[in-house]
Amino acid sequence: DVKVTQSSRYLVKRTGEKVFLECVQDMDHENMFWYRQDPGLGLRLIYFSYDVKMKEKGDIPEGYSVSREKKERFSLILESASTNQTSMYLCASSLARGRGAGELFFGEGSRLTVL
Amino acid sequence: DQQVKQNSPSLSVQEGRISILNCDYTNSMFDYFLWYKKYPAEGPTFLISISSIKDKNEDGRFTVFLNKSAKHLSLHIVPSQPGDSAVYFCAATRRGRTSYDKVIFGPGTSLSVIP
Repeated sequence: DVKVTQSSRYLVKRTGEKVFLECVQDMDHENMFWYRQDPGLGLRLIYFSYDVKMKEKGDIPEGYSVSREKKERFSLILESASTNQTSMYLCASSLARGRGAGELFFGEGSRLTVL
Repeated sequence: DQQVKQNSPSLSVQEGRISILNCDYTNSMFDYFLWYKKYPAEGPTFLISISSIKDKNEDGRFTVFLNKSAKHLSLHIVPSQPGDSAVYFCAATRRGRTSYDKVIFGPGTSLSVIP
């Protein structure tokens, strides 16, 4: 069974703290994504990666960075957390080509609260 | 500027009736469209997709229709069941020369199926 695992379901951090959100997929997918979900705004793409050590900015990359040192792992980093980064963060992966390409598999999400 | 729009934030339907969820897009480069379903506290799960070379795709109770000239797609659920109550996200992407591109989501429509 396919699996995308996010390291923390719930986090509470203080303003200015550094935050790491980890995501691991076991499907050997090339593409990995980080989205945030906010009421009325849907899922907005923060960053995505189509290969190890490669990254592309999404629609709202400001205040975030990412790391992909291994194919199965994609990390989202908040260098200095702010209250407007309180959100649900969703990691996803997908095949780059072939049957099923383009279809995203999501983790269960990480609910981050910044105080 | 939202590239994928879902203009109805919510929809209520009686059990057994048809649910119709609508989605509009602005980017004519999109050539692959997906619908995702999301329950509270879970990640979105893939429901059904359609390529731009088709105008209809059916999977059990779910059918997606694509009208390329109008840049419009819709998801039909027949018959609707209480377990279908969830937030539905429309998403779109573009197939690059060798692989799929980032996936852009709409803001979602919350469907309530009343028993």
